[in-house]
Amino acid sequence: EIVLTQSPGTLSLSPGERVTLSCRASQSFSSSYLAWYQQKPGQAPRLLIYGVSSRATGIPDRFSGSGSGTDFTLTISRPEPEDFAVYYCQQYGSSPHTFGQGTKVEIK
Amino acid sequence: EVQLVESGGGLVQPGRSLRLSCVGSGFTFDDYAMLWVRQAPGKGLEWVSGISWNSGSVGFADSVKGRFTISRDNAKNSLYLQMNSLRTEDTALYYCAKGGGYDSSGYYMVRWGQGTLVTVSS
Repeated sequence: EIVLTQSPGTLSLSPGERVTLSCRASQSFSSSYLAWYQQKPGQAPRLLIYGVSSRATGIPDRFSGSGSGTDFTLTISRPEPEDFAVYYCQQYGSSPHTFGQGTKVEIK
Repeated sequence: EVQLVESGGGLVQPGRSLRLSCVGSGFTFDDYAMLWVRQAPGKGLEWVSGISWNSGSVGFADSVKGRFTISRDNAKNSLYLQMNSLRTEDTALYYCAKGGGYDSSGYYMVRWGQGTLVTVSS
């Protein structure tokens, strides 16, 4: 099973302050099969990014994904107040299709 | 509009069984893989199982393999999760999700239901 490790566990920042979230895999998997999700309290998760860097429908361009091999990144260029949430990465290149443990992005 | 509605959750004793259902609407159900994801109270997301458009390919998390079965009925736009030999650690909110493609290359979750709560306790 591929283990995804997200860092940091919690990130405190101010609106508008660029943020970079990391997702590292314990081994490589089928190329480009990595997704990112956002979850707010009491809500179902929402797909942000799939295929490493493709934005899902309706996702603003301040969200971007990058990476390859075992290291992947989600960047929020200018976070809005509604972006404070928990973010998860998920690999779907190798079964079982595991999630990272999540990174909480909170307002400083 | 894509909608996914789960049902079948509830309180069940350890060792017993439960069957979850999910009905999809607003999209061509048999064009997409479907998935189950769970979230224990206060915890992160855990991928549980996925099934391809024609049921030809299925996958399971190691934690449920041999106990859970996934199936679908495309004529009814329905997805199922049969959960046997339930354990207290299976307690979670179970989400049904629409995949991004028709097979395992699309085992990412484009749309999610609101979830159905399963509580395993004596």
